[in-house]
Amino acid sequence: DTAVSQTPKYLVTQMGNDKSIKCEQNLGHDTMYWYKQDSKKFLKIMFSYNNKELIINETVPNRFSPKSPDKAHLNLHINSLELGDSAVYFCAIGGLDGYTFGSGTRLTVV
Amino acid sequence: GENVEQHPSTLSVQEGDSAVIKCTYSDSASNYFPWYKQELGKRPQLIIDIRSNVGEKKDQRIAVTLNKTAKHFSLHITETQPEDSAVYFCAARYNTDKLIFGTGTRLQVFP
Repeated sequence: DTAVSQTPKYLVTQMGNDKSIKCEQNLGHDTMYWYKQDSKKFLKIMFSYNNKELIINETVPNRFSPKSPDKAHLNLHINSLELGDSAVYFCAIGGLDGYTFGSGTRLTVV
Repeated sequence: GENVEQHPSTLSVQEGDSAVIKCTYSDSASNYFPWYKQELGKRPQLIIDIRSNVGEKKDQRIAVTLNKTAKHFSLHITETQPEDSAVYFCAARYNTDKLIFGTGTRLQVFP
């Protein structure tokens, strides 16, 4: 049973479209994160939520909007997709110890 | 600012040799330093971590050292094996809840 599950695993879409990536965790952690990994493998934090409340927003364009309907879910909605949004997006959970990452969503914008 | 520098960006070693990856962080208040291994097409996975109240931690062939004064920490892998080949990331915790990652080191272990 996967602790952090993301869907979809792959997403190919055209520029200008709106898409969502879903993340669900079953470990009961209060804090969830979204990270972006670009083609150079850099891992950059985008958002963090603690118990459904936005804690960190790392100057991400407002086309990106995280939504946390409950403590176990943190979804990422992206409007008006651009070519530069192509990357692997990882959801993660964690606290004072290290993070557990989801399996990632490879987003390709064409 | 919040910054973690990591070197080298690529590292090639012969099987059986040791590999060392070094990181430097900027915030002296950082107190938690994990290391992640990411195999091709997979998620980063925690392999070892160290907190600021210790200087060294070891787990079989993997060890991490921390120099708080210099704000350096390093990953040491001994007796490397081909399955150690992956991208390794260091990270430092900022503001109690945010992990900032280094830029990654691609390690290749040749048989």
